[in-house]
Amino acid sequence: EVKLVESGGGIVQPGGSLRLSCEVSGFGFSNYWMHWVRRAPGTGLMWLSRINSNGFSVSYVDSVKGRFTTSRDNAKNILYLQMNSLRDEDTAVYYCARGVYGDFWGQGTLVAVSP
Amino acid sequence: EIVLTQSPATLSLSPGEAATLSCRANQTVSYFLSWFQQKPGQAPRLLIYDVSKRASDIPARFSGSGSETDFTLTISSLELDDFAVYYCLQRGDWPFSFGGGSRVDLK
Repeated sequence: EVKLVESGGGIVQPGGSLRLSCEVSGFGFSNYWMHWVRRAPGTGLMWLSRINSNGFSVSYVDSVKGRFTTSRDNAKNILYLQMNSLRDEDTAVYYCARGVYGDFWGQGTLVAVSP
Repeated sequence: EIVLTQSPATLSLSPGEAATLSCRANQTVSYFLSWFQQKPGQAPRLLIYDVSKRASDIPARFSGSGSETDFTLTISSLELDDFAVYYCLQRGDWPFSFGGGSRVDLK
């Protein structure tokens, strides 16, 4: 069974940092592109970043570029999102998604940026 | 950046009726257009990718069509489980982008 489980969310002050993890099982993690997507309260979905199967190619949406870093550990089957300089507008549920099409998703982890 | 506009914002229908949802791009996305369903408290679920290909385990009542800039998701006969928000996604150019969503409500 394919499973993706996000963790690491919580409440953080503006300017703070968090590291999210996405632990996967049930498929060959090292063969897949992986992605981070978020949904902010009352708004739609935003595709934040993508990382290729070996981790050497990473892309970000402009609004998080320079603040967020996506990485992966293929030996541990874990995808990471390091979030620095967090802002109010980063408050959202963060999801990891698998593959070129985003065919499997985790249930999400909530990040709340609040003074 | 490619902007996707979905219409209508809300569609109020009864079970058994057909739903037709539209997604329009401000520039061509070729065939790199997907549709997702999202329910409250749940992750998005991939329904359709590459315009018209159904994802694994997606019922045949869901179909996608279109090309270049204009795309449609059709649900041929709504079931109670289908009342949700639907998003289109383009992955023709980075950054990938979602439409604003169309909500299918129970009339």
